[in-house]
Amino acid sequence: NAGVTQTPKFRVLKTGQSMTLLCAQDMNHEYMYWYRQDPGMGLRLIHYSVGEGTTAKGEVPDGYNVSRLKKQNFLLGLESAAPSQTSVYFCASSYSTFSSGGNNEQFFGPGTRLTVL
Amino acid sequence: SQQGEEDPQALSIQEGENATMNCSYKTSINNLQWYRQNSGRGLVHLILIRSNEREKHSGRLRVTLDTSKKSSSLLITASRAADTASYFCATDPQLSGGYQKVTFGTGTKLQVIP
Repeated sequence: NAGVTQTPKFRVLKTGQSMTLLCAQDMNHEYMYWYRQDPGMGLRLIHYSVGEGTTAKGEVPDGYNVSRLKKQNFLLGLESAAPSQTSVYFCASSYSTFSSGGNNEQFFGPGTRLTVL
Repeated sequence: SQQGEEDPQALSIQEGENATMNCSYKTSINNLQWYRQNSGRGLVHLILIRSNEREKHSGRLRVTLDTSKKSSSLLITASRAADTASYFCATDPQLSGGYQKVTFGTGTKLQVIP
């Protein structure tokens, strides 16, 4: 199993450009997440999904959109990139949540390093 | 704001020594998890401790949880150079209704000197 994969690994954008980050998982997990990691800020949740066809806002959703058309894929879009979106982006997935009676251990992808000039 | 806050922010020890890092949180939790992140990589789950547990072991890792103080500690015994990484606690809040988001702290950066 590949686990959680992310493409691309690196990307440089100019202000105003758009792009889509792709996350794929082969563990049949229901829950998927997009985080950004900035120095001294830890991980901040951008958007998440509790199942195919569902999405919800996290802590820092502004400037991002997501889609979960297939259970195994979770896409993160930047419609008009800004320098403040320079960050490392991580996708994660989990089988369940604690409230649903499961172990909500999250599995992370290797990250995408995005620079917006 | 972050639910979990790790302490210290950075820790440097000699190989073979024990490393202890702490996590404090603000609200009641269902469970607390510890993750490791090697430089340039994604996070890897290490251990989960539930709110009704006080201590848990996994290999050289020992995690304690004190719900009355809203704190947890991660002890790595007999540290190795390969333990050099950042360590994060993540809390699953005990709130009613709907999906509750796991929240990550800002991490402790551990350096183990060979």
